[in-house]
Amino acid sequence: AQSVTQPDIHITVSEGASLELRCNYSYGATPYLFWYVQSPGQGLQLLLKYFSGDTLVQGIKGFEAEFKRSQSSFNLRKPSVHWSDAAEYFCVILTDSWGKLQFGAGTQVVVTP
Amino acid sequence: NAGVTQTPKFQVLKTGQSMTLQCAQDMNHNSMYWYRQDPGMGLRLIYYSASEGTTDKGEVPNGYNVSRLNKREFSLRLESAAPSQTSVYFCASRQGSTNEKLFFGSGTQLSVL
Repeated sequence: AQSVTQPDIHITVSEGASLELRCNYSYGATPYLFWYVQSPGQGLQLLLKYFSGDTLVQGIKGFEAEFKRSQSSFNLRKPSVHWSDAAEYFCVILTDSWGKLQFGAGTQVVVTP
Repeated sequence: NAGVTQTPKFQVLKTGQSMTLQCAQDMNHNSMYWYRQDPGMGLRLIYYSASEGTTDKGEVPNGYNVSRLNKREFSLRLESAAPSQTSVYFCASRQGSTNEKLFFGSGTQLSVL
């Protein structure tokens, strides 16, 4: 069955430092992958998505993610974190043609001054 | 343009009570979804509706029923609430094709005592 795993439940990073969130997927074919962000008290917002083509995907808010088939990974990165990036981040995989999504458990990011 | 609207935002129920969570979207989307979000488990799909007139079970459908009243509205009903259903519930919609992003409502915080 298709699934995603986010190994890190909680990450603390200093403002201005780089950030990388890990995501591993399990899927037989080329997966459709997403990263969503949920800020405190807010709904979910799509950061970026990967369907095919260029394996380095650019998203909103300065985020990017790289799809690596050999490692079954889709890690999210940002070169320089801002305090407003404190949020929970979800890696998501599309599981069927009807649009059912499987969410990872999420990674909580805390940004320190 | 309101997007996806969920009501109520907060609700407290006693065990055994029933209630309906309402969701409406004004984007003429075909597909609608109900998720629950629990700490450490990400979002899990309860039910979805790929198009008007159809509904299907997701990952955790037990204890819930849904109605796709029309293209705009997709309601989630708890017939006899249990403490295990204490969660944050999110409604989402999308046009229907696989490369369309999900639009989320702001969530309903439900507590069952």
